[in-house]
Amino acid sequence: LAKTTQPISMDSYEGQEVNITCSHNNIATNDYITWYQQFPSQGPRFIIQGYKTKVTNEVASLFIPADRKSSTLSLPRVSLSDTAVYYCLPWNAGNMLTFGGGTRLMVKP
Amino acid sequence: EAQVTQNPRYLITVTGKKLTVTCSQNMNHEYMSWYRQDPGLGLRQIYYSMNVEVTDKGDVPEGYKVSRKEKRNFPLILESPSPNQTSLYFCASSLSTRDYEQYFGPGTRLTVT
Repeated sequence: LAKTTQPISMDSYEGQEVNITCSHNNIATNDYITWYQQFPSQGPRFIIQGYKTKVTNEVASLFIPADRKSSTLSLPRVSLSDTAVYYCLPWNAGNMLTFGGGTRLMVKP
Repeated sequence: EAQVTQNPRYLITVTGKKLTVTCSQNMNHEYMSWYRQDPGLGLRQIYYSMNVEVTDKGDVPEGYKVSRKEKRNFPLILESPSPNQTSLYFCASSLSTRDYEQYFGPGTRLTVT
């Protein structure tokens, strides 16, 4: 079971790029890395997934180094609506999954 | 509309009174899972199911039961609830074990007194 470590909180300002790093030292070979966003009183929402190197979609980029022991979610030009909690989750649906504590991102005007 | 639904959304009950939280998805997903979320502890998996009649324990299964008799439904059963099961519960589903995107329900806030 891959255990994850993320910063508890981060502050940013509108228009800035935000990078949130997750450590997952014991990630398994078959694990993919997924990231979720959660707003208060809502279920988490999938953002992005990757296995290694870099993945980009319309909302974020995900950087994964060759050793895969960490991953970095990059949010370009954040807005107030990006204020949320962000979780990384090594995904291997054949095994139990555990979200870490998440990173609470506060975007200020 | 593709969605995961949970019922009830809010429940206050007393210790020992059996209850069931229902979860249903309309996306023909194979994989379903239950999580609980507590302040400072993030989301912890209770049980998961990779397909009909296949269920496995997650990180915190004690005090809970599940069943998967149909593909669309995955009820969570608390046979004898206790106050330490007061929590926010989420059901989630994904197309298969090879599909990494989980869709979450709106959550059920349970209080056990």
